[in-house]
Amino acid sequence: GAGVSQSPRYKVAKRGQDVALRCDPISGHVSLFWYQQALGQGPEFLTYFQNEAQLDKSGLPSDRFFAERPEGSVSTLKIQRTQQEDSAVYLCASSLSRLADEQYFGPGTRLTVT
Amino acid sequence: AQKVTQAQTEISVVEKEDVTLDCVYETRDTTYYLFWYKQPPSGELVFLIRRNSFDEQNEISGRYSWNFQKSTSSFNFTITASQVVDSAVYFCALSDLDNTDKLIFGTGTRLQVFP
Repeated sequence: GAGVSQSPRYKVAKRGQDVALRCDPISGHVSLFWYQQALGQGPEFLTYFQNEAQLDKSGLPSDRFFAERPEGSVSTLKIQRTQQEDSAVYLCASSLSRLADEQYFGPGTRLTVT
Repeated sequence: AQKVTQAQTEISVVEKEDVTLDCVYETRDTTYYLFWYKQPPSGELVFLIRRNSFDEQNEISGRYSWNFQKSTSSFNFTITASQVVDSAVYFCALSDLDNTDKLIFGTGTRLQVFP
């Protein structure tokens, strides 16, 4: 079956531009997570959805970051007025339900802000 | 605060050597889950194992084995008879059950296996 997919795989943005990153989770997965991975670091949590409800956005670094999952499947992470420090790989993961289920990760979107 | 420490930044071995990747965690929870993920050069994180805090039995899966010791808050990962295809970055992670099951990752250990 299909895994988690993300698009685009690579994105180059000029400082100040808005970007939108898409995540298609595994069909039927209730939980969806976004993580940010800086070069040479482990992934860091950004936000979490249970179906369409955003239950935790404590990891979003600023109000320029916004995420949505309006129908409980596809999710979009939007970054407004991108800054150089936003350059990173953005990973999406989904899991079947809560209780520390295994999270399946997508290939990530590598964002470079110039 | 919850934290995962992987003190080994990079390890290099020659094929067929055994190698152990260390993971030390901190948590106040009595119930928690620990994970290992592999990130090959392609970049996609691959799940290897999940272990809950009540199960301290060591686990073996082929050439992989895991040693969980609550007394030392460690969850170490050993690869026996390493192969070039094992070259990757390996992450240990702790699940935050208090809130959202988000994963708290260590900084990773880069393993290079040379032929």
